[in-house]
Amino acid sequence: GAGVSQTPSNKVTEKGKYVELRCDPISGHTALYWYRQSLGQGPEFLIYFQGTGAADDSGLPNDRFFAVRPEGSVSTLKIQRTERGDSAVYLCASSFSGTQETQYFGPGTRLLVL
Amino acid sequence: KQEVTQIPAALSVPEGENLVLNCSFTDSAIYNLQWFRQDPGKGLTSLLLIQSSQREQTSGRLNASLDKSSGRSTLYIAASQPGDSATYLCAVTPGSARQLTFGSGTQLTVLP
Repeated sequence: GAGVSQTPSNKVTEKGKYVELRCDPISGHTALYWYRQSLGQGPEFLIYFQGTGAADDSGLPNDRFFAVRPEGSVSTLKIQRTERGDSAVYLCASSFSGTQETQYFGPGTRLLVL
Repeated sequence: KQEVTQIPAALSVPEGENLVLNCSFTDSAIYNLQWFRQDPGKGLTSLLLIQSSQREQTSGRLNASLDKSSGRSTLYIAASQPGDSATYLCAVTPGSARQLTFGSGTQLTVLP
């Protein structure tokens, strides 16, 4: 595609519910990243995929967070038992090969946990 | 742990002024540094990427410099325009990693 796309653009859920956030990277990009951005802050790293495998998941805050990329393209970030503190904008980025070159960001999913 | 700081947090200038945004980082072992622009409710747009071996990069009215030894970068915007109003984020790639470490950003307002 022309750019990184993310769905949904907005998600409102209740505390304790399960949510899935989807990212479609730029076609041909092997590296995919998830970040989380709280209001007034810069994005914080969550997880990095190279192909189908999670090369670095050191930024996931706890075991309620999980991400997959089964075919090396689309990725889904999954949050179980959501908490109000999970409210943030979740950003996805992709790059051609993951060798520390420019990352291209999607518009983000704004998650609000009530 | 790498920390990135951006000063000031907010800046308001009249149209036409030249301005400088500052970024500092605590660990000089970086692979590259990037400046991004973020408009309200939008994702990030990459403006400039400076490799660790470079001193500066230019794109149009934008010039970014990097002094790796002192842990500093500046983004210079010439002849500012109201369309430049946005949040500007600085991010570094640590030498051993792939993910970006971001500062909190500088919110720029250019007044017509």
